Amino acid sequence: DGGITQSPKYLFRKEGQNVTLSCEQNLNHDAMYWYRQDPGQGLRLIYYSQIVNDFQKGDIAEGYSVSREKKESFPLTVTSAQKNPTAFYLCASSIGWRDEAFFGQGTRLTVV
Amino acid sequence: AQSVTQLDSHVSVSEGTPVLLRCNYSSSYSPSLFWYVQHPNKGLQLLLKYTSAATLVKGINGFEAEFKKSETSFHLTKPSAHMSDAAEYFCVVTGDRDDKIIFGKGTRLHILP
Repeated sequence: DGGITQSPKYLFRKEGQNVTLSCEQNLNHDAMYWYRQDPGQGLRLIYYSQIVNDFQKGDIAEGYSVSREKKESFPLTVTSAQKNPTAFYLCASSIGWRDEAFFGQGTRLTVV
Repeated sequence: AQSVTQLDSHVSVSEGTPVLLRCNYSSSYSPSLFWYVQHPNKGLQLLLKYTSAATLVKGINGFEAEFKKSETSFHLTKPSAHMSDAAEYFCVVTGDRDDKIIFGKGTRLHILP
């Protein structure tokens, strides 16, 4: 079945550690996105990529980094520079920038 | 620049009564508009989309939305609410290539028995 897979579903890390969230899609989509969701704030765009080996900062990119070495994969690293990393992270992909997005099931990151 | 405003952060309706979730947008270009639904601790699922074809768009689970350019609105409706409709709903706009996909802040729908 085609889809978008995020792993792990739950992640716990100590403060000061970097952590990488996985996102893989087998939909052959060019565009991929990372969003952060906090209660009452909707979804905020962290990074997006419209093509392999290229990505752009979203609205809240500080403290995060990404790579897009393969079309299928768009991992997100939450660095120790991110002041408040505890959140629900959603990855999405779409055929193009103007098309509907397909979402993964999310990763809930808790930093203690 | 684009923006989207969901006018209500919470909506409560009784089971079997109509649902109205309001969304207003602004866009410099012909927008594409979407409604997504999110159940607790889950990803988002597309309910319906408008991409400049028919202004009345039918989606899954009995939902529909009407694109009204003169009012810059894209409200989501359903004739009769079901308990399973309780979730958070997001209105989304996308337009020119240089603009990002913009999410509204969400409306949480509560269904009263």
